[in-house]
Amino acid sequence: AQTVTQSQPEMSVQEAETVTLSCTYDTSESNYYLFWYKQPPSRQMILVIRQEAYKQQNATENRFSVNFQKAAKSFSLKISDSQLGDTAMYFCAFMLYSGGGADGLTFGKGTHLIIQP
Amino acid sequence: DARVTQTPRHKVTEMGQEVTMRCQPILGHNTVFWYRQTMMQGLELLAYFRNRAPLDDSGMPKDRFSAEMPDATLATLKIQPSEPRDSAVYFCASGFGQPFPGKENSYEQYFGPGTRLTVT
Repeated sequence: AQTVTQSQPEMSVQEAETVTLSCTYDTSESNYYLFWYKQPPSRQMILVIRQEAYKQQNATENRFSVNFQKAAKSFSLKISDSQLGDTAMYFCAFMLYSGGGADGLTFGKGTHLIIQP
Repeated sequence: DARVTQTPRHKVTEMGQEVTMRCQPILGHNTVFWYRQTMMQGLELLAYFRNRAPLDDSGMPKDRFSAEMPDATLATLKIQPSEPRDSAVYFCASGFGQPFPGKENSYEQYFGPGTRLTVT
């Protein structure tokens, strides 16, 4: 079974600062994807960024980027120029893929990120 | 703007009552997932379907939970009888379930707004 660990239950930074959220995972499989989801108080799950395990290049989406270290099984999220609207729970998620298609997501416990004005 | 819809958005019921939650996946998506979110356990996968066939329901308590897809536009999650420990937010998500050539995001899952269930 796969596991995802987020070691930071809560983080707080000032607006415009850069913040990095940590995530490690454990798997013996080779075909998988990794995701970061954002969950604001509305509870809606919003996909922030995705990374295919077979790609060495780190994914980026505007102010969001990841540091994917496959050998270390680490997948951290960096948010640059943080904004008040970034305040939310952030979940790291793992998904296996095989010839039959994708499995469900395995989530970490989440990091509550607070952006202070 | 295609979205996953879930009904009801909120449900309060008494212990022992039957609860049915409904999900309409995005048109064309062939894979539907059910997740549960609680403070103690976090987000957990309950079950999922591909082309309406159940693929995995190992995360679901078998004695009281059941999940079905009567047709491609409707997925249901039923709890009978409900218990206070079932109180949670239940999310449905849909996707293509597998990468398609030329579609970078074909394996992504799109989440509905969730059903907040309270069992008293």
